[in-house]
Amino acid sequence: AQKITQTQPGMFVQEKEAVTLDCTYDTSDPSYGLFWYKQPSSGEMIFLIYQGSYDQQNATEGRYSLNFQKARKSANLVISASQLGDSAMYFCAMSLFNQAGTALIFGKGTTLSVSS
Amino acid sequence: DSGVTQTPKHLITATGQRVTLRCSPRSGDLSVYWYQQSLDQGLQFLIQYYNGEERAKGNILERFSAQQFPDLHSELNLSSLELGDSALYFCASSELAGGPLGETQYFGPGTRLLVL
Repeated sequence: AQKITQTQPGMFVQEKEAVTLDCTYDTSDPSYGLFWYKQPSSGEMIFLIYQGSYDQQNATEGRYSLNFQKARKSANLVISASQLGDSAMYFCAMSLFNQAGTALIFGKGTTLSVSS
Repeated sequence: DSGVTQTPKHLITATGQRVTLRCSPRSGDLSVYWYQQSLDQGLQFLIQYYNGEERAKGNILERFSAQQFPDLHSELNLSSLELGDSALYFCASSELAGGPLGETQYFGPGTRLLVL
């Protein structure tokens, strides 16, 4: 069964440092999408970045990049130059397609704390 | 602001009651998804509608039902509420139906349900 694993319950980083949040996934489907979302303490879910399973290049969106290692089934999020506003819960997710529709399955999340 | 709206923001009710959560997708999006976020279960997919039709179903309880109307807004009905139904309920929307590679889903701010 498809599964997303985030093994780091909490990460701590100082402002301006880079941080990597780990995500591994399990699927036997050749086609899938990988997503990262940010959930600040206010509760909303904010889309950060997407990587398709056939994409050859790692996805980047501003300070966010996705380190996609297909053979290892990992999709780590790298945040460069952390800011105080990056403090939040981060979720890795994978698309689950059933021939008619698509759901996202989520990992348990990693809490990132950025200090000055 | 994702463009997805959800009402109400907060809902407090008693066990055994029935409530309706409402969601309006982003302009132009045809799919609506419902997710439940609780401390013990994490983020769980409930159901997807695409242009009025049910497309994918997750672990949605029989006491829960949803529909998508011709104007594409969606409602999630929760009945015979139990204490364990207390959670944050998210609606998300995407442009199309998703497909094997997935599609970015944009989340609303959520409805926080408390069952007493």
